[in-house]
Formats: sequence, structure tokens, C-alpha cells
Amino acid sequence: SQTIHQWPATLVQPVGSPLSLECTVEGTSNPNLYWYRQAAGRGLQLLFYSVGIGQISSEVPQNLSASRPQDRQFILSSKKLLLSDSGFYLCAWSPGHRDIQYFGAGTRLSVL
Amino acid sequence: AQKITQTQPGMFVQEKEAVTLDCTYDTSDPSYGLFWYKQPSSGEMIFLIYQGSYDQQNATEGRYSLNFQKARKSANLVISASQLGDSAMYFCAMSGDNTDKLIFGTGTRLQVFP
Repeated sequence: SQTIHQWPATLVQPVGSPLSLECTVEGTSNPNLYWYRQAAGRGLQLLFYSVGIGQISSEVPQNLSASRPQDRQFILSSKKLLLSDSGFYLCAWSPGHRDIQYFGAGTRLSVL
Repeated sequence: AQKITQTQPGMFVQEKEAVTLDCTYDTSDPSYGLFWYKQPSSGEMIFLIYQGSYDQQNATEGRYSLNFQKARKSANLVISASQLGDSAMYFCAMSGDNTDKLIFGTGTRLQVFP
């Protein structure tokens, strides 16, 4: 069966520091991969999605970037964190176009 | 542009009773999908149920059913025989126009009391 792993679960970082969040999927090949952010008490906002290695689509211009170095690995990065980058970050995968998306456990990021 | 609207910020229901969570949507795409997710306090988004725009029958998954009214553009979630463990945030979402992204509503917080 397919599983999605996301780490770390929580992270506290100072303003201006770099960020790297990793997400991996097991039990499937060539999944669509997604990064979402959820502000406190709000719905999810899509940040990036990828349909294949090296293929990244950005939905919201911001301080973040994403990379997909391997088929089942998706990384969210920042060179210098801002206070506004605080939030709950969720990685998700789907088998293909318009399929059900399955989410990881999330990373709660606090930028101080 | 696509939009999902959840007008109930919070709902209360007694254990073992049924509850309906409202969701309306707007899209010009003839083909789309509608999804419901549950988010407990731990934060993980748990997929509950899916309805395709061309599906003739309402989707059901155990105690969850989706009341799909295409003409009214509504996709309400019905939870039967509520349990204390159903207390969580519930999000309605739809698949995007010719993309793979999901558009989410703002969510409804459901609280089940004994």
C-alpha cells in the first residue's frame, strides 16, 4: 500500500534562516506531488505541485521554492525565512490527474 | 474561476445523531470532482469521500454520504450516527479547471457531544 512521509513534525526557526522540508512517497511510481500551506483557522492554499521529476509549478509567488530530485521525493525550501512563512505545511500525493489527494501528517513551522 | 463555499463555521451534534455539513461550489468546467476531508486536531487531512460530476448516484462510504445536487451546485456531507471521534474540522474541496490542484473551502468545525 502507498504511504507518505513528511518531516519534521514541528520546527521552530529564526527569521532569516534557511528551510528544508522533505516529503517522500512509498508504494507508487510517478505520483503527482503537492505542497500546501494552512494558516491558523483557514483552508489550504496550494503552493507548488509536480507531475514529474524536475517539473514544478508554482501557484503563489513567495519566499519559498520546491524541488523534486527523485520520483517520489518532494522538497520545500527557503533561503531566508520570513515571519509570514509560519504555518502548517502539508505534502500530498495523487495517482494522477484529478485523482484523490492523500496527505502527509504535516509540519508545523514557527518562524520567530 | 472555481470557488468552494462552506457557510457553517461550526456545528454541534449529539452522539448517534446525523448531521449535514453544507458545501456549495462554482465552476464553469463541465467535468470536475468534489471531495470531503476531515482534519482532526492532530492536523492530518484524511480523505473521506469523492463525487465525480458525471456520477449518477450519490457517493457513500460507510457512515459518510455525499448529497450531490448538481443543479444547485451543492455537495453536502452527511454523517450518520455521529461518534465522539467525528469531532474535527471538515473541508470541502473540488478539482481545478484543467489542473491537478484542489480548491478548498474554509471548513466547518464539528463538535459531537455525548
